[in-house]
Amino acid sequence: AQKITQTQPGMFVQEKEAVTLDCTYDTSDQSYGLFWYKQPSSGEMIFLIYQGSYDEQNATEGRYSLNFQKARKSANLVISASQLGDSAMYFCAMRGLKTSYDKVIFGPGTSLSVIP
Amino acid sequence: NAGVTQTPKFRVLKTGQSMTLLCAQDMNHEYMYWYRQDPGMGLRLIHYSVGEGTTAKGEVPDGYNVSRLKKQNFLLGLESAAPSQTSVYFCASGDGQGDDNSPLHFGNGTRLTVT
Repeated sequence: AQKITQTQPGMFVQEKEAVTLDCTYDTSDQSYGLFWYKQPSSGEMIFLIYQGSYDEQNATEGRYSLNFQKARKSANLVISASQLGDSAMYFCAMRGLKTSYDKVIFGPGTSLSVIP
Repeated sequence: NAGVTQTPKFRVLKTGQSMTLLCAQDMNHEYMYWYRQDPGMGLRLIHYSVGEGTTAKGEVPDGYNVSRLKKQNFLLGLESAAPSQTSVYFCASGDGQGDDNSPLHFGNGTRLTVT
């Protein structure tokens, strides 16, 4: 069965500092994709970054980068130069193939607060 | 460009009442999903569909039914609402499989309260 774990219910970071949000996953699929979403207090889900299981390089998207360690089954999100607008819930998600039949499951989330 | 539209946005039900949540997408996506979001538990997959006429159970399917009669619509039904079904419900759609980097597109959510 698939499972996503995010062990940090809440995180604080000083404005302009970098922060790492942890995500570990469990799957029996050989091919899968990992996603990070941001949910601000307004409630919408905003896609941030994607990492494919066969990608050799870590994904980057502006201030967001993904520290992907396949052997450890971890896909941590790194936010550089934090801004006040980064305060939000962050969810790690996984999409599998074959045995998971394209389920997309989410972790419990991490609440990030950026301190001025 | 509507994307994913959920109706209604808010609803209050009494225990035992029934209702249907409608999700519509205009992006010709094959895959559609229903999630519920509860504090501390993230988004949990209720049911999903990989194409018109097909549905499958997710992580927490009990008490819900779904239908995908048309590709653009995915309906979530509660036959006999219970207070435990008080939650925020999100619909999402997507395309591609596995390693495809197509993200899910989400609706704005439906806040359901069952008293």
